[in-house]
Amino acid sequence: KNEVEQSPQNLTAQEGEFITINCSYSVGISALHWLQQHPGGGIVSLFMLSSGKKKHGRLIATINIQEKHSSLHITASHPRDSAVYICAVAGYNTDKLIFGTGTRLQVFP
Amino acid sequence: KAGVTQTPRYLIKTRGQQVTLSCSPISGHRSVSWYQQTPGQGLQFLFEYFSETQRNKGNFPGRFSGRQFSNSRSEMNVSTLELGDSALYLCASSRGPNTEAFFGQGTRLTVV
Repeated sequence: KNEVEQSPQNLTAQEGEFITINCSYSVGISALHWLQQHPGGGIVSLFMLSSGKKKHGRLIATINIQEKHSSLHITASHPRDSAVYICAVAGYNTDKLIFGTGTRLQVFP
Repeated sequence: KAGVTQTPRYLIKTRGQQVTLSCSPISGHRSVSWYQQTPGQGLQFLFEYFSETQRNKGNFPGRFSGRQFSNSRSEMNVSTLELGDSALYLCASSRGPNTEAFFGQGTRLTVV
């Protein structure tokens, strides 16, 4: 069993839909990262969370430390949101990240 | 401010050769981590450096090595290349452990 599990693996949505991607982990962590990867490879950091909830524009990330679970929400999805979204966790006093397998999101007009 | 710069962006090498990849972190960042991304294994941790010291190493053979210089720039080296080393190699920099990580565009290595 992987230390970081993401669901769903693939997601298709119509423009404007509300999207949720889930991440569960089985190890102790100091922080959880949500990352976005577009075709071509570059990775962009969306959020780094250690508790609670963060919001940036149409993106919202939440984490429940007790349940070892995090969610990434996209409100009013847009075709430009099409990308792979990756959950990654970091242990204590380290930058080493353990990654989920990613969720491929396609948003159609 | 300039982002994380990885060079070269693309590389084609022959089996048995060696390769050196470079990563220049964001100015002021002292931590650099390296990752390998393949379709089969996804993203896997290679190394973590902080202030020229290797803090962590992933589960990769000894053919994979790295170092960090006093200006925080980092290099990784792969010797005796194998076909399976074909991958996207990404580096990330941060101010230090458990701070936001910024990724480079990656070096796509193809071994033929």
